[in-house]
Amino acid sequence: EPEVTQTPSHQVTQMGQEVILRCVPISNHLYFYWYRQILGQKVEFLVSFYNNEISEKSEIFDDQFSVERPDGSNFTLKIRSTKLEDSAMYFCAGGQGLETQYFGPGTRLLVL
Amino acid sequence: AQKITQTQPGMFVQEKEAVTLDCTYDTSDPSYGLFWYKQPSSGEMIFLIYQGSYDQQNATEGRYSLNFQKARKSANLVISASQLGDSAMYFCAMREGRGGGFKTIFGAGTRLFVKA
Repeated sequence: EPEVTQTPSHQVTQMGQEVILRCVPISNHLYFYWYRQILGQKVEFLVSFYNNEISEKSEIFDDQFSVERPDGSNFTLKIRSTKLEDSAMYFCAGGQGLETQYFGPGTRLLVL
Repeated sequence: AQKITQTQPGMFVQEKEAVTLDCTYDTSDPSYGLFWYKQPSSGEMIFLIYQGSYDQQNATEGRYSLNFQKARKSANLVISASQLGDSAMYFCAMREGRGGGFKTIFGAGTRLFVKA
């Protein structure tokens, strides 16, 4: 059964550095999402992506964040200049329609 | 304002019993969707069940059913015949609108403990 995959599983970076988190959705997915979960807290919506463009973004998703689907398969989240408070688990999710959102295993980001 | 409320931070249930996890939501959008996810201690998010706002029947998936009461804006998850492996955090979530947004808001979660 196909699964959403994410790389890397863990990333440690210095404050101010750029990071790129990668996701490979299931091939027939049309809707894509990024979420983050700070340890022990609720899951926070970052951005949704459909038809090769951002559908909606949250207040968290400021100019430091960007998303791309560079080659029609990978789906990336870039944080340009990381802050300590960006430390979290980042999940991508995808769905063929709006009725499902299948999550990847997540990337744990630690900003030092 | 809180759009998804899960009032039970923790719940205990005896193995093989049924348990209901509460979720209330707030939206003025006539078109929305409600999800339940399970997050075991390993951290992955597992999709359990979905209910659309226009769906006439309550959603069911195996041992999971969603008790959708639209007028009360509640979408409680019922797990029948609890198993030890059901011990996990459970999140209710709401996706608002078909108008291109697809923003999905999560509740704070309920931690379920299944006792042998």
